[in-house]
Amino acid sequence: NAGVMQNPRHLVRRRGQEARLRCSPMKGHSHVYWYRQLPEEGLKFMVYLQKENIIDESGMPKERFSAEFPKEGPSILRIQQVVRGDSAAYFCASPLSHRLDTGELFFGEGSRLTVL
Amino acid sequence: GENVEQHPSTLSVQEGDSAVIKCTYSDSASNYFPWYKQELGKGPQLIIDIRSNVGEKKDQRIAVTLNKTAKHFSLHITETQPEDSAVYFCAAKPGGSYIPTFGRGTSLIVHP
Repeated sequence: NAGVMQNPRHLVRRRGQEARLRCSPMKGHSHVYWYRQLPEEGLKFMVYLQKENIIDESGMPKERFSAEFPKEGPSILRIQQVVRGDSAAYFCASPLSHRLDTGELFFGEGSRLTVL
Repeated sequence: GENVEQHPSTLSVQEGDSAVIKCTYSDSASNYFPWYKQELGKGPQLIIDIRSNVGEKKDQRIAVTLNKTAKHFSLHITETQPEDSAVYFCAAKPGGSYIPTFGRGTSLIVHP
C-alpha cells in the first residue's frame, strides 16, 4: 500500500482523552476519504475531503468527531473525549486516478485505535 | 443512499476448490463495483472491478460477474490457494457520487 501514509499505526487512549489520526494521500493527490472499520464489520464511510474543503461528511458522527485537510500537511481525523465504542481501525484512502468520479480507491494501512 | 449486502460472511474451502462471494445492491444508479482484499493487519487492496457496461471481467484466477437487472454481482476465485485466505469486500458506487458503499465482508479460509 505504498503511497497513502497513515500514522500512528496503533494508538491507545483512555476514555475521555483525544485521538488524532493523520493521513497523507498519494503523491500529487489532494483528496482523501476516511473510513472506519469496527470489529466484525465492514468499512463505513465517514468523510471525504480535499485540501481546505470538506466535500462530504455524511458519515461523520454528529459529536466528538471532526476532520480537516489543511493546505499544508496531512489530513487529520480528530476524536474528542473518546469512548470504548470508538475502538476501531480507521482507514484513509486516496483516489487512484485524477478522475475523481471513477471510485477507485487506494487505502493506507490504517490506524488502530484502542480505548481503555 | 446505497445499501450493499454481502454473503456469506465466512467461507471455508479446500485448496484447489472454487470460491464464490455474492453481493446485492439497492441503488439502480450504481455503475461501479470494485472488490477489495484485506489481509490481516493491512489495508484493503483493490483486486478487480467492473463497470456497468460489461457483464463479466476476468483476471487470471479471479472473475467478477454483474447482473444489473437483478442488482447483484459476484466474485469468483478458481483454484484457490492458501494465500487467497483474507477478508474480501465488495462495494458499489452510484454514478455522480464519489462515495463507494462497502459490504460487510467475507472471511475466506483456504485449507491446505
